[in-house]
Amino acid sequence: KAGVTQTPRYLIKTRGQQVTLSCSPISGHRSVSWYQQTPGQGLQFLFEYFSETQRNKGNFPGRFSGRQFSNSRSEMNVSTLELGDSALYLCASSLEVAEDGYTFGSGTRLTVV
Amino acid sequence: SQQGEEDPQALSIQEGENATMNCSYKTSINNLQWYRQNSGRGLVHLILIRSNEREKHSGRLRVTLDTSKKSSSLLITASRAADTASYFCATSRGDSNYQLIWGAGTKLIIKP
Repeated sequence: KAGVTQTPRYLIKTRGQQVTLSCSPISGHRSVSWYQQTPGQGLQFLFEYFSETQRNKGNFPGRFSGRQFSNSRSEMNVSTLELGDSALYLCASSLEVAEDGYTFGSGTRLTVV
Repeated sequence: SQQGEEDPQALSIQEGENATMNCSYKTSINNLQWYRQNSGRGLVHLILIRSNEREKHSGRLRVTLDTSKKSSSLLITASRAADTASYFCATSRGDSNYQLIWGAGTKLIIKP
């Protein structure tokens, strides 16, 4: 079966711009989570969605937002980009909860210049 | 926030040797999971061990869990060059099923 698909794979943006990242989970998986990974901070939880509802949110500023559609696909948006937002953004899907185990996408590498 | 700490931070061994990585965590857990990440790519789920289990095997992988010491170990036997990657432990806590808490990872290098 198809894995978790993240688009785009690479992105270069300028400070102040906004960006939207997309994630299509594994068919049948209803939970989608987003993580930011940087060399300094490691894996940081952004948010988790289930049935179009955000169930949990990490400690990120309001510039980071997300949503989930009825087909479980998810998007995350970062507005007013800062240099520190440069990171690998990972999407993970699971059946219902994180405890079920994640399947990760390959990530979107965002570079802010 | 990171609950887990992996030890060592980096490990370099010869192909064919066994590799052992350790993970410690701070609070009670429902389960502990191990993931592998190849250079800047997505993570791959390796194995999940529940809080009421002590040991689990999957192919060349062996995971142990000691809830009294709040620690887990991942053993990779007969290592191969393809095992070169970063390995992360992640815990699922009873008070939050909606996210995993991650360690900082162990970077494993297998020398041919």
